[in-house]
Amino acid sequence: DVKVTQSSRYLVKRTGEKVFLECVQDMDHENMFWYRQDPGLGLRLIYFSYDVKMKEKGDIPEGYSVSREKKERFSLILESASTNQTSMYLCASTSRREGGYEQYFGPGTRLTVT
Amino acid sequence: QKEVEQDPGPLSVPEGAIVSLNCTYSNSAFQYFMWYRQYSRKGPELLMYTYSSGNKEDGRFTAQVDKSSKYISLFIRDSQPSDSATYLCAILSGYALNFGKGTSLLVTP
Repeated sequence: DVKVTQSSRYLVKRTGEKVFLECVQDMDHENMFWYRQDPGLGLRLIYFSYDVKMKEKGDIPEGYSVSREKKERFSLILESASTNQTSMYLCASTSRREGGYEQYFGPGTRLTVT
Repeated sequence: QKEVEQDPGPLSVPEGAIVSLNCTYSNSAFQYFMWYRQYSRKGPELLMYTYSSGNKEDGRFTAQVDKSSKYISLFIRDSQPSDSATYLCAILSGYALNFGKGTSLLVTP
């Protein structure tokens, strides 16, 4: 019953490292999203993509970039990791289908930058 | 003003109680309203969504939207300890969702 998977559950990186977080969905959804979740701040949108090779900035894109070369895969890149990027990262995919709206989140990647 | 406001709680209720979770929002153009449940160390799970105003029921859960007062609610009847989680409201704006910060609910046996 796999829907949205993320490449790692836990990740520890050093300041300045380049970090790749991968997300894959198997539902043929058009839209994919990257959020980060922090205590007291809730879920904040980093980037989203509504089609292959298309991307849009969310509320907090600074320090991040994304890549969507295939419909099922959406990658989040931290070009030079910093300690304030320590967070839970959540990927989601959505689609408006006949009869309603579908959305699933992945299990999350807890990233620690030291 | 944040687009979606939600009281973080925590909210603690005895098993069997009716739970009321609420959010307010600022943009009257919003049409899709969602409720998510998130267990500890897991991603959010879409519980229910409503389009425009009115009520929607699914088992023990009822989602309610009052567009005139920009207020959305989730009611849980006959609450169970397994309902203990964080509940997030969200509103669809274009492609993206605007989330409330979540309300932590604890249902005690």
